[in-house]
Amino acid sequence: EVHLVESGGGLVQPGGSLRLSCAASGFIFSSYAFNWVRLVPGKGLEWISHIDDVNNIYYADAMKGRFTISRDNAKNSLYLQMNSLRDEDTAMYYCVRDLPGAGWYFDNWGQGTLVTVSS
Amino acid sequence: QSALTQPASVSGSPGQSITISCTGTSSDVGRYNYVSWYQQHPGKAPKLIIYAVNNRPSGVSNRFSASKSGNTASLTISGLQTEDEADYYCSSYTSSTTQVFGGGTKLTVL
Repeated sequence: EVHLVESGGGLVQPGGSLRLSCAASGFIFSSYAFNWVRLVPGKGLEWISHIDDVNNIYYADAMKGRFTISRDNAKNSLYLQMNSLRDEDTAMYYCVRDLPGAGWYFDNWGQGTLVTVSS
Repeated sequence: QSALTQPASVSGSPGQSITISCTGTSSDVGRYNYVSWYQQHPGKAPKLIIYAVNNRPSGVSNRFSASKSGNTASLTISGLQTEDEADYYCSSYTSSTTQVFGGGTKLTVL
C-alpha cells in the first residue's frame, strides 16, 4: 500500500524558513514523479512544484526563487525548502505522487502538514 | 498562471445529476487532454476521481463522468448521494510546464 507521510510544518514568522519532508513507502520511490500541492484557507488547492524521476524540476511562478523541491531516492524521501515565507504561504502542504504516464495526475496524497506564517 | 474558473457552489437532491464546469484557456484546458478532477471532503486529503479528461481511476464510482469542449471541461455526478457532498477541483497541465487548479466548487446535497 502506498504511504506518504509529511512532516516539518509548524508556526514560523514572516521572512522565516521551513523544510518539509515526505517519507514514502509501499512502492518503488525512484520510479515516480512527485509534487507539492497546498490547500490555502479560503482559496483552494494550489500547485507548488513538480520533480520527475530524472530530477527535472518545475515551479509555480509565485514560488520560484523562494521554494526548492528535492528528492533523495536512497531515503525514499521528498523535500520542500521554503524561504522568505509570507503570511499568504499559510496552508496545508501535501506531498503528492504522480500517476505514471503522460500528464500530471495526482493519484496518491499524504495527510498533509500545516504551515502557519504569523508574527 | 491564472486559476481555472469554477462555480463557487452547486447543489442537488439525492438521486439527481449535477454538472460542474471548469473554464480555462487555449494554453491549458483547450490545448491538452490533461484535465483531472479531485474530490475533497473536509479535513481529508484530495482524491483523484477523473484523469485525462474522462478516465476514472480504479475504485471510483461510474456515477462520476467528465468531458471537455474547447476551453471548458465538465464533471457530471449522476444519482447524487449524501456522501458526494464535498469540494471538487479541476486541474490542467499548461503550456508553461506547470499545473493549475480551479478555485473549487462546493457541492451541497440537499
